[in-house]
Amino acid sequence: QKEVEQNSGPLSVPEGAIASLNCTYSDRGSQSFFWYRQYSGKSPELIMSIYSNGDKEDGRFTAQLNKASQYVSLLIRDSQPSDSATYLCAVPTGGGATNKLIFGTGTLLAVQP
Amino acid sequence: GAVVSQHPSWVICKSGTSVKIECRSLDFQATTMFWYRQFPKQSLMLMATSNEGSKATYEQGVEKDKFLINHASLTLSTLTVTSAHPEDSSFYICSAREYGSYLDSPSRAAEAFFGQGTRLTVV
Repeated sequence: QKEVEQNSGPLSVPEGAIASLNCTYSDRGSQSFFWYRQYSGKSPELIMSIYSNGDKEDGRFTAQLNKASQYVSLLIRDSQPSDSATYLCAVPTGGGATNKLIFGTGTLLAVQP
Repeated sequence: GAVVSQHPSWVICKSGTSVKIECRSLDFQATTMFWYRQFPKQSLMLMATSNEGSKATYEQGVEKDKFLINHASLTLSTLTVTSAHPEDSSFYICSAREYGSYLDSPSRAAEAFFGQGTRLTVV
């Protein structure tokens, strides 16, 4: 079983709709979860982090975490064509100085104008 | 915000030659830098973790003699792809973590800032 799993998509939503992206992870001890956005040919950029069960909102983005079920999701409200990108879920592993991020395969989001 | 500069942004080289990629933290000290490789339509795969002043830790399956990593200072790490072959063509991305950030909490692990990436094409 992969450590971090995502549906590769593409996920196609119309402009203005809510895009829902999901991620599951295998390490029950994981405490931190991150969503990165990666445009084609570019490096990833951090858009959301979440550490506690429940929802965390930041503008049009909402991250949801359920540690019991080992999944984390990202909702994008009022989706815009500029949101079209690959969204990567990442979970740190290891500890201390060896702490490193493990990325999921990413979900390609396409927002249709 | 913290800036990580990666150079070059793209490079084309002949098979059998070596290519060096630089990763610099411009406004912070980075004790730890990470090197990733990303093939088209695939996710980032961690190649190695480099700590300033010590040998890099390579992930399973990554040839340390082929991918030489040097992290001689708190602001610079280099990745050298030796005797490159077409199958080494990929997008290489570095990220840097600020000194001491890992001491605060595991959450700080994400505060590893990414360079722009280097597109390597071996012909």
